[in-house]
Amino acid sequence: GAGVSQSPRYKVAKRGQDVALRCDPISGHVSLFWYQQALGQGPEFLTYFQNEAQLDKSGLPSDRFFAERPEGSVSTLKIQRTQQEDSAVYLCASSLAGSRPGGELFFGEGSRLTVL
Amino acid sequence: RKEVEQDPGPFNVPEGATVAFNCTYSNSASQSFFWYRQDCRKEPKLLMSVYSSGNEDGRFTAQLNRASQYISLLIRDSKLSDSATYLCVVSPDDKIIFGKGTRLHILP
Repeated sequence: GAGVSQSPRYKVAKRGQDVALRCDPISGHVSLFWYQQALGQGPEFLTYFQNEAQLDKSGLPSDRFFAERPEGSVSTLKIQRTQQEDSAVYLCASSLAGSRPGGELFFGEGSRLTVL
Repeated sequence: RKEVEQDPGPFNVPEGATVAFNCTYSNSASQSFFWYRQDCRKEPKLLMSVYSSGNEDGRFTAQLNRASQYISLLIRDSKLSDSATYLCVVSPDDKIIFGKGTRLHILP
């Protein structure tokens, strides 16, 4: 497809369960971002990749969160031992721009995670 | 101080009116600035970039004040379809930081 694709769109997990969220960016886009958006809040930065290199993971809230982009295209955000406070929409965005993001971010529709 | 701050609103504005939002940022090294629009339960989409000289796109005007570290968005002749959340976005270094957004409701 032409846009950023995320899956699953909706995920319900029991507390303590591990989840994996997938992002398929626009082909050829160098930069990939993950954001967490809680209800009524703006997107909060989690992590940033330039190709396969994870250049910034300062926004990951705990060591239960892990992201990878091993071949510089598809990315996976993994959350281990989910907690209720992890409930949010996880947005993936990609950008054609390289080392200093300044171009438009294209977002996927997000993965809505609900932890019971 | 948060990196990017916006008045959350909501701004309830009659159709046809002019409305303006401001956004302040804390990192003086920020180089890129944007306004994104987010409709309810949808993903954010770029509305416009903000340039130092100010820029206009139809009914929308964006301005940057580096000395005071704020950016603004002005919407003229507002339409019902302008109802959305407007996200201020600032890019220092390799991050792209979003504000919490300002909710706008255009009233018929």
